[in-house]
Amino acid sequence: GAVVSQHPSRVICKSGTSVKIECRSLDFQATTMFWYRQFPKQSLMLMATSNEGSKATYEQGVEKDKFLINHASLTLSTLTVTSAHPEDSSFYICSAPGGEVGNTIYFGEGSWLTVV
Amino acid sequence: AQTVTQSQPEMSVQEAETVTLSCTYDTSESDYYLFWYKQPPSRQMILVIRQEAYKQQNATENRFSVNFQKAAKSFSLKISDSQLGDAAMYFCAYTSGSARQLTFGSGTQLTVLP
Repeated sequence: GAVVSQHPSRVICKSGTSVKIECRSLDFQATTMFWYRQFPKQSLMLMATSNEGSKATYEQGVEKDKFLINHASLTLSTLTVTSAHPEDSSFYICSAPGGEVGNTIYFGEGSWLTVV
Repeated sequence: AQTVTQSQPEMSVQEAETVTLSCTYDTSESDYYLFWYKQPPSRQMILVIRQEAYKQQNATENRFSVNFQKAAKSFSLKISDSQLGDAAMYFCAYTSGSARQLTFGSGTQLTVLP
């Protein structure tokens, strides 16, 4: 069946550096993908909608210059955390719709980011 | 804006017993979908059950069933014959129409007691 692959699953980076997280649909095309952030013991919060071939749509309060999203192909969206700070440490997870409206929403495995 | 509320931060159930997790939502849309997701410690999001708002019949998936009360905007999850593997965080989620981003509730941590 359809699968969304997210990489890396865990990453540690130094403060001030940038880190890229990939979200890939493996056997289906995804013109839209979604990026969520989850703090420990909290719910998933939508950060942005990634649109293939156009700019991402960011939720209120999410810094678009810090969280760069690129959706360059129908199977790949990337989230780059720029100039990372310890407060950016979190669990990031992507999703992609893979069927009829509301029918199937596939999630990646998620990525743990730790900024030291 | 749509909101999803889970009023039970934690629940526990004895193995083989039945437990119900509560969820309410607020929306002005007529076309929407509701979901229950299970998130084990691995953090993988696992779809438990899905309900289309236009369907009056409550969705059922093996030991999992929902009580969908559209007028009351309530969407509870019933787990029958609870198993140790059911222990996880459970999230109620909503999406509307053609939009497929999800709005999540705050979650309910379910513990299954042997």
